[in-house]
Amino acid sequence: EVQLLESGGGLVQPGKSLRLSCAASRFSFSNYSVNWVRQAPGKGLEWVSFISSSGTYKYYADSVKGRFTISRDNSKNSLYLQMNSLRAEDTAVYFCATGSVDDAFDIWGQGTMLTVSS
Amino acid sequence: SYELAQPPSVSVSPGQTASITCSGFKLGDRYASWYQQRPGQSPVLVIHQDTKRPSGIPERFSGSNSGNTATLTISGTQATDEADYFCQAWDRSMAVFGGGTKLTVL
Repeated sequence: EVQLLESGGGLVQPGKSLRLSCAASRFSFSNYSVNWVRQAPGKGLEWVSFISSSGTYKYYADSVKGRFTISRDNSKNSLYLQMNSLRAEDTAVYFCATGSVDDAFDIWGQGTMLTVSS
Repeated sequence: SYELAQPPSVSVSPGQTASITCSGFKLGDRYASWYQQRPGQSPVLVIHQDTKRPSGIPERFSGSNSGNTATLTISGTQATDEADYFCQAWDRSMAVFGGGTKLTVL
């Protein structure tokens, strides 16, 4: 079964940094564009960032632009999200999900929880 | 910024048809997707490219998209369909989700 597995969440203080990871297995990760999507407790889904299959194209939500950086290492079948200057409003479950621009998110991970609090 | 609006809640009796709408400016000019999310679980894609069902999604799930409104229709609704449903589209290389609709099967 194809799988995405996120890791790296936890409790971090406001203003600090953290890196999330997403490991892909049982599919050709290097052929897929990938996204980060987050969900604050009790709230809806919010798209965070996109990266193309080769890593050439990267897009960000306005709410994280300039603070978050998406990257990938196709040799390790892995996706990353470097998060700097974290704020309380970044508290959420972060999902990675495959999907191209103008298409749907078809494979989702189980999510990793980030809590930003002092 | 582009916005998608969904009703917060929809109720349906078992065996009946549930319709969940998603409204956005000229949404019909874009592809709409729909996701089902049960409590404590990750979202699952149920409809993509307006009308297409991924493998493994029951035939009772269908979609349409025209004008400013996309609609997810669940025919013969079952208790297992009780979940949150989110619509989604892309706008200028940014993905947008609707606020979500809680479907209650009474």
